[in-house]
This record gives sequence, structure tokens and C-alpha cells, in this order.
Amino acid sequence: DAGVIQSPRHEVTEMGQEVTLRCKPISGHNSLFWYRQTMMRGLELLIYFNNNVPIDDSGMPEDRFSAKMPNASFSTLKIQPSEPRDSAVYFCASSPGNTIYFGEGSWLTVV
Amino acid sequence: SQQGEEDPQALSIQEGENATMNCSYKTSINNLQWYRQNSGRGLVHLILIRSNEREKHSGRLRVTLDTSKKSSSLLITASRAADTASYFCATDDLDAGNNRKLIWGLGTSLAVNP
Repeated sequence: DAGVIQSPRHEVTEMGQEVTLRCKPISGHNSLFWYRQTMMRGLELLIYFNNNVPIDDSGMPEDRFSAKMPNASFSTLKIQPSEPRDSAVYFCASSPGNTIYFGEGSWLTVV
Repeated sequence: SQQGEEDPQALSIQEGENATMNCSYKTSINNLQWYRQNSGRGLVHLILIRSNEREKHSGRLRVTLDTSKKSSSLLITASRAADTASYFCATDDLDAGNNRKLIWGLGTSLAVNP
């Protein structure tokens, strides 16, 4: 089992640029989560999908953030335009039930 | 919002000693989970304890749950340098219905010195 696969692992981008983070969940998992982790705020849930449908996006910071899950094996998190305060580690995770399986994260730096 | 609160925030011990971390939460729950995060890596699930369980063991891990006090503890016995990591508790929310969002604490950073 390959686990949750995220790309890119690291990205450095300039303020104002569009950032797209990608995720392939574990096959058979029906829930997918996008989290953001910073030293100041800890782990924050941005959005989660159940059976490809967004269920709770109350954690999405603002309209600059959007997430899609066009099929059961792929999801994207897009930030447009990016700002320095978006610098963080973004985790994708999937779950078949109670236990959540995390990817290794996408480390985003916006300069 | 974070409802889980772990304490201590940081813990430093010698190899071979036991490490105890605590977690408090606010809502009614179905279950509580503990996760570990090594530096620069994703979180890894350690153990889940259901609301009708009081204690659970997994290898060197022992988790207790006191629903009357809305608290849990994670004990790592005979610690090793490889146990150095951050440890997080996460709870669901019984009142949230089908919403499967977990509520996370800010974590305890454990350093095990060789």
C-alpha cells in the first residue's frame, strides 16, 4: 500500500502566484481531508470530502482557497493568489472510517 | 477550533524512563485517538479508545480515558530515542452527527535523550 501521496513535497513561490497542491488518497478510503499545520495555529482542518462530495469547508480561510475532488483517487487544493501568510505545511489525509492516514505533506513557502 | 489540549506542551526524559502525556477535551465523544508526528513527517495513528473503554494497551503504549473528566492520558513505557516526536490527541464530536471532522490538540513535544 503506497499510502497517501502528495505533490509537490516542497514549493517556494512568489506572492501573488497560484499554487496547486495535489493528493492521491488510499484506494478504498471514502473520506479525504486537507489540513494546514503551522507553529502558531497547530493543525487546522481546511475541508473534508466524503465520497468525493465536500462536507465541511468551514475551515477554508477565504476565497483565495479552493479544493476539488473530481474522482475518488484525486484531489487538489488551490491557493490563488498566494500570500506569505499561507506559508505552512499542507497535509492531505484519507480515511475508511475512524482512523486517518496522513500523507507526508506539502511544504509551502510564499515569499 | 482546537478543543483538545495536551499537557505538557513539551517533555524531555532519558531513555528507559516512562513518558506520560495528557489530553483534555470539551464535547461528548464516540472515541479518542492518539497520533505521533516525527519531525518533517505526516501524522501516524497510534491508538483509538472508544468512549465505553477505560484503558487500552498497544505494545509499550497505554491509553486511559475518563469521560467524566473529559480527559485521556498516553503512557509510553521504557522510552527509546526513536520515540522522540510530537504526540497529538484527536476527538470526534458526538453532537456533530455525520460530520466526521476530528478536533485536534496542539500536541506534546517529547524528547527522549539517549
